[in-house]
Amino acid sequence: DTGVSQDPRHKITKRGQNVTFRCDPISEHNRLYWYRQTLGQGPEFLTYFQNEAQLEKSRLLSDRFSAERPKGSFSTLEIQRTEQGDSAMYLCASTVFEGNEQFFGPGTRLTVL
Amino acid sequence: AQKVTQAQTEISVVEKEDVTLDCVYETRDTTYYLFWYKQPPSGELVFLIRRNSFDEQNEISGRYSWNFQKSTSSFNFTITASQVVDSAVYFCALTLRGGKSTFGDGTTLTVKP
Repeated sequence: DTGVSQDPRHKITKRGQNVTFRCDPISEHNRLYWYRQTLGQGPEFLTYFQNEAQLEKSRLLSDRFSAERPKGSFSTLEIQRTEQGDSAMYLCASTVFEGNEQFFGPGTRLTVL
Repeated sequence: AQKVTQAQTEISVVEKEDVTLDCVYETRDTTYYLFWYKQPPSGELVFLIRRNSFDEQNEISGRYSWNFQKSTSSFNFTITASQVVDSAVYFCALTLRGGKSTFGDGTTLTVKP
């Protein structure tokens, strides 16, 4: 296993369009996180899955954001009606247990024009 | 609500100097996990060290050591004999038992030759 992968690595879209990102965690990891990171800031927690169950969702996450992990393996993050403020790096991480270290993917850089 | 504060925005040292990165956290939970991650210029976050709330023993791992003090809610990280390759952004993170993770805004470390 080569680690956490994310696709696409870069996405440029126009304001108002919908975008979807994919994350493939390390295969034996049942816990998966989505974060957003902007320049000069630390990763900001968006949501957390244990297997297919979405256990935590940030109150900062508007209803334009939705995440799924249908079979407890890969996950998707969708942003509807994108806004310029959504421009950021979207990071995915996985782990076997919340007390263990998280393994991060390379991220998807979103630019909303 | 939980919070992680890294008061040092930037630190610059000369190679071979020791450097300590500060981290102060806030949480009402009694079970939690603390981490330090490194984000090199290439961008991908890499795990460094971990400590849980029940274990205040401070340890040394190679050139890394950490000082966890529950009484002051601090989890400081020291690099001994710094090297140019240590130049990166360092993040302190707090994960609660439910899985929600909070990162600090990072400390940019520059090690000059």
